[in-house]
Amino acid sequence: RKEVEQDPGPFNVPEGATVAFNCTYSNSASQSFFWYRQDCRKEPKLLMSVYSSGNEDGRFTAQLNRASQYISLLIRDSKLSDSATYLCAVNIGYGGATNKLIFGTGTLLAVQP
Amino acid sequence: EAQVTQNPRYLITVTGKKLTVTCSQNMNHEYMSWYRQDPGLGLRQIYYSMNVEVTDKGDVPEGYKVSRKEKRNFPLILESPSPNQTSLYFCASSWQMNTGELFFGEGSRLTVL
Repeated sequence: RKEVEQDPGPFNVPEGATVAFNCTYSNSASQSFFWYRQDCRKEPKLLMSVYSSGNEDGRFTAQLNRASQYISLLIRDSKLSDSATYLCAVNIGYGGATNKLIFGTGTLLAVQP
Repeated sequence: EAQVTQNPRYLITVTGKKLTVTCSQNMNHEYMSWYRQDPGLGLRQIYYSMNVEVTDKGDVPEGYKVSRKEKRNFPLILESPSPNQTSLYFCASSWQMNTGELFFGEGSRLTVL
């Protein structure tokens, strides 16, 4: 089983729709969580961190469910410019000073006019 | 402007011809890392460096070398490239390893014939 898993999509949604992605992780030692956005042929960029209490930034809401070991990203009122691949990243503590950031393979979102 | 700079951005080479991909960051970050990104496999870590003269293997280090002689530079060396190293490579940096907030370079697309 992969340590971090995402539905690859694509998610094809009309403009204005609300869309949600999930990302599951297998290691209960996971300590911190992030969503990155990657445009086609570009580098990933940090979209937002995911806090235990949830995190909202404009149209984007990220949540963490430790009991079920998943994080989610909700995008409201989708825009054409939201079309991208969304990568989740999980920081796993293996003890000592060594932490490891594991990325999911990404979920492709295509917002249609 | 804060950035991570990789060179070359595109390279086509032949099997066995040594090459180096340079990476430089101007943010005084301690942590630097190399990833490769392949379809269906996502971002996989090759090597990382916690600080100057401190490097360690990631998940897929075979066929690669790195060095960290200066804080700002973290070159990736392919001593004898093979076709299975054809990939999109990203360098990334961060204040510390366990923040999860990585800044990525624009990527280097390498093709080994």
